[in-house]
Formats: sequence, structure tokens, C-alpha cells
Amino acid sequence: QQKVQQSPESLIVPEGGMASLNCTSSDRNVDYFWWYRQHSGKSPKMLMSIFSNGEKEEGRFTVHLNKASLHTSLHIRDSQPSDSALYLCAASMGYRGSALGRLHFGAGTQLIVIP
Amino acid sequence: GPKVLQIPSHQIIDMGQMVTLNCDPVSNHLYFYWYKQILGQQMEFLVNFYNGKVMEKSKLFKDQFSVERPDGSYFTLKIQPTALEDSAVYFCASSLEQGAETLYFGSGTRLTVL
Repeated sequence: QQKVQQSPESLIVPEGGMASLNCTSSDRNVDYFWWYRQHSGKSPKMLMSIFSNGEKEEGRFTVHLNKASLHTSLHIRDSQPSDSALYLCAASMGYRGSALGRLHFGAGTQLIVIP
Repeated sequence: GPKVLQIPSHQIIDMGQMVTLNCDPVSNHLYFYWYKQILGQQMEFLVNFYNGKVMEKSKLFKDQFSVERPDGSYFTLKIQPTALEDSAVYFCASSLEQGAETLYFGSGTRLTVL
């Protein structure tokens, strides 16, 4: 059973628009979250991490986490064509899982930003 | 930024043969990992490795799998013998310290077992 579910599977937004991606853990022990971006044929690169309830913003990217529902979301404002990529949500079993580098990945959301 | 290189990017072998996947981690990194991604599915953790030893492995890390990093050279994943279900993309990662905060991934090796 997958521990991390992402939605939607794919998302098309116009350039300049807002992209909102969702991720939920089905395992209450899996509660530290990361967001990765993977351009086609390239390596996944970490965008942001969030471990506590609330919101974290870095430039055009904002992540939210609700630990009660184990739901995290990534929002990209002023989306650019270069943001077109596969966005992967990953989670670990708390600090120890993180320390071991043992991440549970979702299947990803394919984002397409149309000029 | 730091790069993890995986060689080759594609490999095709016959079932039952041995295969070695090579990973050139970031030069000063100390922790090494392999993940496996079957086509259309999510990436899944296989193993992590530090100071010459496997620290943790998942149930996907079969007895036919082994990892090593002799004397600071490539970090390798060896599969012997291979099976059809080993066909997947294998991602290597490395980190300087413990913790997923500092993980860097390679771009993967696509292994096809015929």
C-alpha cells in the first residue's frame, strides 16, 4: 500500500497562473514532508521541506502542512514554462526516517505551464 | 550545484546475468542510497550505506542485491543474478550528513532485463 498519495496526476496552468499540488500520507507515522522537482530526464531536486504545522514560503513557492490530516500542498504563483516538470512529494517516518534518508515517494504530479 | 553521476544511463542485459550499476556521488559526501522506480510507479527506497556498511535496507533489497564503495570509488549496486522484475530505473543519492535534508539524487540508470 502506498504511504504517500499525490493529486492531481497532471495539471495544466497558464503562464502567470497559480499551480496547486496536493499530497497526503496514509500512515500516521509518516509525517515529515519534502517536495522535489524533476525535469524530464534529470535528477529529482529538493525544492522545500516542511515538518511543522503551518506555512513556509520561498520566493514563488509556498508549502502548507496540516499534521492532523497529514496533508501538505505546494503552491507555485506566477507559474513559468520552466516550472513544467514532475513534482514529487516525499515523506519520512519522523526525524529517524529522515536521518536514515528513507523517504516514501508519491507517484508525482506532472505540471505543464503553457506560455 | 553538487551532482551525482550515474553510469550508464541505460543498460540492457539478459535475465540471469550479473549487472553492476555505478554511481559517482558528490565528492565529500559520506552517506549513500539506492532507490528503485518501476515504470509508472513511485520511487522506493532500497538501501542506505555508510562507512562501508549497510545501515538499513527495505524488503525490496533482495539477497541477489549487494552494494559497496571500495576506497572512495564508485558506489555500486550489483544484482546477481538478475530477474525480469529487476527492470526499473535505479536512482542513486548521496548526502554529506545524516538526514534527507541534504540528499542529492542522480538522474537514474534505466535497467532492462530481457
